[in-house]
Amino acid sequence: QKEVEQNSGPLSVPEGAIASLNCTYSDRGSQSFFWYRQYSGKSPELIMFIYSNGDKEDGRFTAQLNKASQYVSLLIRDSQPSDSATYLCAVIRGRSGNDMRFGAGTRLTVKP
Amino acid sequence: GAVVSQHPSRVICKSGTSVKIECRSLDFQATTMFWYRQFPKQSLMLMATSNEGSKATYEQGVEKDKFLINHASLTLSTLTVTSAHPEDSSFYICSAREGRGAFFGQGTRLTVV
Repeated sequence: QKEVEQNSGPLSVPEGAIASLNCTYSDRGSQSFFWYRQYSGKSPELIMFIYSNGDKEDGRFTAQLNKASQYVSLLIRDSQPSDSATYLCAVIRGRSGNDMRFGAGTRLTVKP
Repeated sequence: GAVVSQHPSRVICKSGTSVKIECRSLDFQATTMFWYRQFPKQSLMLMATSNEGSKATYEQGVEKDKFLINHASLTLSTLTVTSAHPEDSSFYICSAREGRGAFFGQGTRLTVV
């Protein structure tokens, strides 16, 4: 089992729709969870982080965390073509805070 | 967010030569930096954790003598790819932790010909 699993996609949604990206992790002791966006040929950029169970909203983005199910998701409302990118889920394991693991990423395409 | 600067952004080198990549934290001090490699359409693969003032910690399967890491100050870590081969061609990315986030450099596209 991979430490951080994501559906590789591609996920295609029409402009204005809600895009839902999912991630599961294997280490039950993980404490911090992140979503990064990576455009082709570029390095990842941080979109959101979440530490507590429940929802966290930031503009058009909502991160959802369920530690019991070891599941974290990212919702993008009113999707725009500029949101087309690969979205990486990242999890920090352990107490040191230095062990960050990434999922393989989900490629999202928003069609005009 | 914090700023991490990586240089060069692109480099082409001949097989057998060495290439140095620099990673700087511009507005914060980074005791620890991370080096990743990413092949096309694949995820980030952690190569090593760079610790200021001490030896780097390499992931399993990463040759420490081939990928030399130096973290001489709290704002600079370097990765040197020694005796580069075409199979070393990849996208190399550094990151540093600041607060509760990890911030990435721009990445270096290495092509070995």
